Amino acid sequence: GESVGLHLPTLSVQEGDNSIINCAYSNSASDYFIWYKQESGKGPQFIIDIRSNMDKRQGQRVTVLLNKTVKHLSLQIAATQPGDSAVYFCAETAWFGNEKLTFGTGTRLTIIP
Amino acid sequence: DSGVTQTPKHLITATGQRVTLRCSPRSGDLSVYWYQQSLDQGLQFLIQYYNGEERAKGNILERFSAQQFPDLHSELNLSSLELGDSALYFCASGPGPLGEQYFGPGTRLTVT
Repeated sequence: GESVGLHLPTLSVQEGDNSIINCAYSNSASDYFIWYKQESGKGPQFIIDIRSNMDKRQGQRVTVLLNKTVKHLSLQIAATQPGDSAVYFCAETAWFGNEKLTFGTGTRLTIIP
Repeated sequence: DSGVTQTPKHLITATGQRVTLRCSPRSGDLSVYWYQQSLDQGLQFLIQYYNGEERAKGNILERFSAQQFPDLHSELNLSSLELGDSALYFCASGPGPLGEQYFGPGTRLTVT
């Protein structure tokens, strides 16, 4: 079936550096994407979303990039902080059509002090 | 504190039993989502309700059912429980049919 996959299961980044977490999706009908963060022992947290009519969306220190041509999504975190250490999940769905959310397996980001 | 409440926090029950998990969304939010998170399955979307109606269905087993009540709280019913149903169950709410979601603290279900 359709699936969302993450390229890297783990990523270590020096504090203060920028990090990029990648995600590939396979359902060409997906037009809405979400990034979630889950810190150890806590529930998931919605970070940022993007619809397919956009290539880029920025939040506070985070930017999501969408490349529909190659079905690729990335989350950029600027000036990483220890609190950014967490597992990051991407998810895809269709904005219309009441489609389910499909999650990737997650990437564990570790910030090195 | 997200404003989403889930009860109970922990639940231990035996195989074959039935349990009900409850979620109260943030004030004003119309959407409720249910997720299951287990060690071997990662985060799985189960079902979403929007303003009382089922909006999207994910990997929810036939033994599981959910509903959203007129006051917008939601319940997830799990029946004929199996060991593999042991997991964290998260509820999230949001103002619209899609968009930002606010997660509750989760219910940890242990089936013995």
